[in-house]
Amino acid sequence: AQTVTQSQPEMSVQEAETVTLSCTYDTSESDYYLFWYKQPPSRQMILVIRQEAYKQQNATENRFSVNFQKAAKSFSLKISDSQLGDAAMYFCAYRRGGNKLVFGAGTILRVKS
Amino acid sequence: NAGVTQTPKFQVLKTGQSMTLQCAQDMNHEYMSWYRQDPGMGLRLIHYSVGAGITDQGEVPNGYNVSRSTTEDFPLRLLSAAPSQTSVYFCASSYSGTTATRYGYTFGSGTRLTVV
Repeated sequence: AQTVTQSQPEMSVQEAETVTLSCTYDTSESDYYLFWYKQPPSRQMILVIRQEAYKQQNATENRFSVNFQKAAKSFSLKISDSQLGDAAMYFCAYRRGGNKLVFGAGTILRVKS
Repeated sequence: NAGVTQTPKFQVLKTGQSMTLQCAQDMNHEYMSWYRQDPGMGLRLIHYSVGAGITDQGEVPNGYNVSRSTTEDFPLRLLSAAPSQTSVYFCASSYSGTTATRYGYTFGSGTRLTVV
């Protein structure tokens, strides 16, 4: 079974600084997709970024980028120029051919002004 | 654009009561699923469906039933509520099939359920 591990229950970052959230996963598949979701206090699940395993290039969405290391099964999220609105719970998730999405336990990100 | 609509947003139940959490989507998604979110455990899959008339169990199915009579609706039934079912519940949908896997899910806004 696939598992997703987020080893940082909480992280803090100063406004305008950069922070990296860690995620590792376990799979025997070669073709799959990885996602980062943001959950603000409103509880809504918001897709931040996704990465196709067959692509070597790391995905980027504005201030959000990933460091995808397929051999190490690592998928970290970097947030640059952190803003107060980035404060949220962040979930790493894995999805292979098929449909099930497997989530990590989440990392709470606090942004200090 | 309604997306995924979940009702109710909040609910308090007494132990032993039954209830149905409603989920509807208007995006013609084949795949629908229910997750529960508990502190320190992320989101865990309860049940899912790959199309009308087809359902299957996820990671934590005990105490819950589902049915999928239409593409749009996927209700979750708690048969006899227990305090261990106190959680936040999310319904999520997506297109199905390998080519659609690159897309994430669309989530409902969640239901906070408390069983006393």
